[in-house]
Amino acid sequence: DAGVIQSPRHEVTEMGQEVTLRCKPISGHDYLFWYRQTMMQGLELLVYFNNKAVMDDSGMPKDRFSAKMPNASFSTLKIQPSEPRDSAVYFCASSLPGASTDTQYFGPGTRLTVL
Amino acid sequence: GESVGLHLPTLSVQEGDNSIINCAYSNSASDYFIWYKQESGKGPQFIIDIRSNMDKRQGQRVTVLLNKTVKHLSLQIAATQPGDSAVYFCAENPYTGFQKLVFGTGTRLLVSP
Repeated sequence: DAGVIQSPRHEVTEMGQEVTLRCKPISGHDYLFWYRQTMMQGLELLVYFNNKAVMDDSGMPKDRFSAKMPNASFSTLKIQPSEPRDSAVYFCASSLPGASTDTQYFGPGTRLTVL
Repeated sequence: GESVGLHLPTLSVQEGDNSIINCAYSNSASDYFIWYKQESGKGPQFIIDIRSNMDKRQGQRVTVLLNKTVKHLSLQIAATQPGDSAVYFCAENPYTGFQKLVFGTGTRLLVSP
């Protein structure tokens, strides 16, 4: 399996622009997570899906962020309008929880810079 | 509130030594714990996990110890190698029935040849 795939790997944009991050989870995984990592805040969970439905988006600023999962193999995280404080590395992860493990597998991340 | 913290932000060891990375957690209801390794420019990589009904679990060169009495988790790496140099995160799931992990701040492990 190719693992979790994210695109783009790097994104530089100007304040006010729309940014769309993409994720393809590991095939067969029914949970998908979006995290943000910064030096100050560490790894923060923004939103997660189970079988394409949002389970928890309490960590996501909903005035500018939106997350969708139109099918089992694709998810997007959109920021509109973007702000400099959104600069961070955004990770997507997926999992298939079982009796013995809740392991989440992470993608390589998208480094977002908002100027 | 819930939090997972680390005692040492940076750990420096010599190649061949055993490394121990510690983690304190605050939620006694947590039933699942996991260690991740993150190399520069990469996403966190699963190392080993443990459920609260166990106090020890071993993998290849790694061992996780769980002490529920004092809410302490540790990762032991045997015969540390330069390739082990990375930031290590512990995480817990304090939300029964939900798939939410709370991550610690991380410990940087530096391995000198």
